[in-house]
Amino acid sequence: GAGVSQSPRYKVTKRGQDVTLRCDPISSHATLYWYQQALGQGPEFLTYFNYEAQPDKSGLPSDRFSAERPEGSISTLTIQRTEQRDSAMYRCASSQGQQNNEQFFGPGTRLTVL
Amino acid sequence: LAKTTQPISMDSYEGQEVNITCSHNNIATNDYITWYQQFPSQGPRFIIQGYKTKVTNEVASLFIPADRKSSTLSLPRVSLSDTAVYYCLVGDNFNKFYFGSGTKLNVKP
Repeated sequence: GAGVSQSPRYKVTKRGQDVTLRCDPISSHATLYWYQQALGQGPEFLTYFNYEAQPDKSGLPSDRFSAERPEGSISTLTIQRTEQRDSAMYRCASSQGQQNNEQFFGPGTRLTVL
Repeated sequence: LAKTTQPISMDSYEGQEVNITCSHNNIATNDYITWYQQFPSQGPRFIIQGYKTKVTNEVASLFIPADRKSSTLSLPRVSLSDTAVYYCLVGDNFNKFYFGSGTKLNVKP
């Protein structure tokens, strides 16, 4: 596609529910990243993929967070048993390859956990 | 990863040159310096990257002294639309960027 897209743009859920966020990267991009951004702070790294491989999950806050990219294109980020502290903007980015410095960010998904 | 320190905020006026300095005393030999810009309600956008001396592109310049312990992002003749948060990142692993809190630039008319 022309740019990175994410859906939904906004998600409101109740504490304890599971949510799944979707990212559609730029079609030619091999590498995909997930970030969590709190209000007034910079994005914090969660995880990344090279095609379908997920070499680094070190930024995921807990085992309630998981991500997939089964066919090396679209990715999902799932948060199980959501908690209020999970409320944040979740941003996806993609880049051409592992050694490319320019990441292109999507518009983000604003998650609110009540 | 090298820690970076930037001013929390800066004010400027339209038409002025703005210089934002980032300190990274613990930068490693293989580390690059990268700057991103973020407007409210948008994702960050790559501005410029460098390793040493000076890099210039169509929107900014990046000055890096010989010891590489700091770097300065220079924005020529800023406009109101340059009001944004600017992040300085240092590292050699482009897959794991740490953005920090950035510098909030406010351009006034």
